[in-house]
Amino acid sequence: QSALAQPASVSGSPGQSITISCTGSSNDVGAYKYVSWYQQHPGKAPKLMIYEVSNRPSGVSNRFSGSKSGNTASLTISGLQAEDESDYYCTSYTDSSTLWLFGGGTKLTVL
Amino acid sequence: EGQLLESGGGLVQPGGSLRLSCAASRFSFSHYAMSWVRQPPGKGLEWVSGISGNGLSTFYADSVKGRFTVSRDNSKNTLFLQMSSLRAEDTAVYFCAKVLYEYVWGSYNLLNCDSWGQGTLVTVSS
Repeated sequence: QSALAQPASVSGSPGQSITISCTGSSNDVGAYKYVSWYQQHPGKAPKLMIYEVSNRPSGVSNRFSGSKSGNTASLTISGLQAEDESDYYCTSYTDSSTLWLFGGGTKLTVL
Repeated sequence: EGQLLESGGGLVQPGGSLRLSCAASRFSFSHYAMSWVRQPPGKGLEWVSGISGNGLSTFYADSVKGRFTVSRDNSKNTLFLQMSSLRAEDTAVYFCAKVLYEYVWGSYNLLNCDSWGQGTLVTVSS
């Protein structure tokens, strides 16, 4: 099964807001609340930023928020900071036998 | 937050086997389901496998089903991934991860992961 669709790259200036989309289907993103977002800096382990569409783990800045509409989930980062520059991956539970799908990743550049 | 440390990676020939370990600390290991996630060099993430806290339920991605086996030893706070019939496309950094919720064993929980190891590199090549 194909990965979830994410833009390859997005960019924004410090202080601005950006949104990263994650498009799936009615078999995954559209069907379940189990959509998560991860931040990964080069050479590092992923870090959970959002789980179950819109929940933030303890310690994650409230500048990060998640939402979903139909088959598309979104991660919004407000008040962009230089430290937000990273790769971001969405993931969703799926009703296929492979259980979990990842997006291809989005590289965020803070200009 | 938990601490996880993977080991066991290395170079293996196609068709060979390898066992990865993940040593856990700073949390009640048996209370949490665990996952393995991999990342080929320069590429994206792929969920590989998961296991319930009691070890009775195991889950696999289609790409590794029948070749990989996940297990755990709760007395030693250690998670394992036994990999066999390895292929070039299995080359990746393998991460172990702890799921967020305590005592939740469903497969839908397996990528709500709040703690990750640093990863161990597996290279499949002749």
